[in-house]
Amino acid sequence: DGGITQSPKYLFRKEGQNVTLSCEQNLNHDAMYWYRQDPGQGLRLIYYSQIVNDFQKGDIAEGYSVSREKKESFPLTVTSAQKNPTAFYLCASSIYGITGELFFGEGSRLTVL
Amino acid sequence: KQEVTQIPAALSVPEGENLVLNCSFTDSAIYNLQWFRQDPGKGLTSLLLIQSSQREQTSGRLNASLDKSSGRSTLYIAASQPGDSATYLCAVNRDTDKLIFGTGTRLQVFP
Repeated sequence: DGGITQSPKYLFRKEGQNVTLSCEQNLNHDAMYWYRQDPGQGLRLIYYSQIVNDFQKGDIAEGYSVSREKKESFPLTVTSAQKNPTAFYLCASSIYGITGELFFGEGSRLTVL
Repeated sequence: KQEVTQIPAALSVPEGENLVLNCSFTDSAIYNLQWFRQDPGKGLTSLLLIQSSQREQTSGRLNASLDKSSGRSTLYIAASQPGDSATYLCAVNRDTDKLIFGTGTRLQVFP
């Protein structure tokens, strides 16, 4: 089945630690995105990538880093510089330049202890 | 700056009712508008996508309309069922690579 796989589903981190969230898609989509969701707020864009080896900052990129070495993969690292990392993280992909329709993974919930 | 608002924030209805969820946006220069469904603790599922040149889209019991000039979209759910209970989000796309999301309407359909 085609889709987007995020892992882990739940992650606990101590303050000061970096963590990496995985996002893999087998939809052959060019574009991939990372969003953050907090209670009572809309989704906010962290980073996006339209093509392999290229990515752009979204609205809240500070304290996060990404890489896009393969078309299928777009991992997100939450660094110790992110002041409030506890949140629900969503990865998405789309066929760039055609419809813009977004398909989402099931999300990863990060809790900082 | 594009802002997306969804009213009401929460809605509770008895099973079988037809209902309307509202989405408004401040900048009418959009590329498309999408409606999503989100179950608790889950990712988003795309329901309908309306291109800026279209007025409406239908899928089963769902119908979404778009009025760009007034900056509004509505999601109509016919004959609601308890399984429709979820949060519904709308999002607009100015460029093909950035979606701006509303905060959602939390819908509960009770038997």
